[in-house]
Amino acid sequence: EVQLVESGGGLVQPGGSLRLSCAASGFTFSNYAMNWVRQAPGKGLEWVSTISASGGSTYYADSVRGRFTISRDNSKNTLNLQINSLRAEDTAVYYCAKDQRGGVAGTNYFESWGQGTLVTVSS
Amino acid sequence: QTVVTQEPSFSVSPGGTVTLTCGLSSGSVSTSHYPSWYQQTPGQAPRTLIYSTNTRSSGVPDRFSGSILGNKAALTITGAQADDESDYYCVLYMGSGIRVFGGGTKLTVL
Repeated sequence: EVQLVESGGGLVQPGGSLRLSCAASGFTFSNYAMNWVRQAPGKGLEWVSTISASGGSTYYADSVRGRFTISRDNSKNTLNLQINSLRAEDTAVYYCAKDQRGGVAGTNYFESWGQGTLVTVSS
Repeated sequence: QTVVTQEPSFSVSPGGTVTLTCGLSSGSVSTSHYPSWYQQTPGQAPRTLIYSTNTRSSGVPDRFSGSILGNKAALTITGAQADDESDYYCVLYMGSGIRVFGGGTKLTVL
C-alpha cells in the first residue's frame, strides 16, 4: 500500500524559511515523479511543483518559482520542499502526491496523496 | 495568464445525474490537456477519480465518467449518492510540466 507522510510544517514568521519532507513507502520511490500541491485555508487546490523520478527535471508554479526548491533523496525514499522568503499567502496545507510514472509529461496525474502538513506564516 | 474555470457550486438530487465542467478562460479544453478530476471532502486529502480525460482511477465506481463536451472537460456523476457531496477539482496540463487546478466545484446532494 502506498503511504506518503508529510512533515515539517509549523508556524513561521514572514520572510522565514521552512523545509517540508514527505516519507514514501509501499512502492519503488525512485521510479516515480513526485509533486507538492497546496491548499490555503478555505480555498482550492494549487499545484506547486513536480520532480521527475531521477530528480533531473523540476517544475514550478509561477507563484513559487525562485522561492521554493523541490528535491528528492531516492536512497531515503524522501521528497523535500525548501520554502524561502515565506509570505502570508503561502499559508496552506501542503500535500505530497505521487505520479503514476517516472517522467514528466501531459499524461501524468496525481495517483496517490498524503494527508498534508500545515504551514502557517504569521508574525 | 490562462485560468481554469469550474462552476463554484452545483446541486443534484439523490439518484440524479450531474455534469461538472472544466474550461479555460481563453481557448478550448482538448484531450491534449489530459484533464484529470479529484474529489475532496472537508478535512481530507483529495481522491483521484479520472485521468487522461476519461479513465477511471482504480476503485472508482462507474457512476463517475469523464469526457470532453464542446470546449470543456466534463465530469458526469450518474445516480448521485449522499456521499458524493464533496468538492471536485479538475487539473489541466498546460505544457512544459505545468499543471493547473480549476477553482473547484462544491457539489451538494439534496
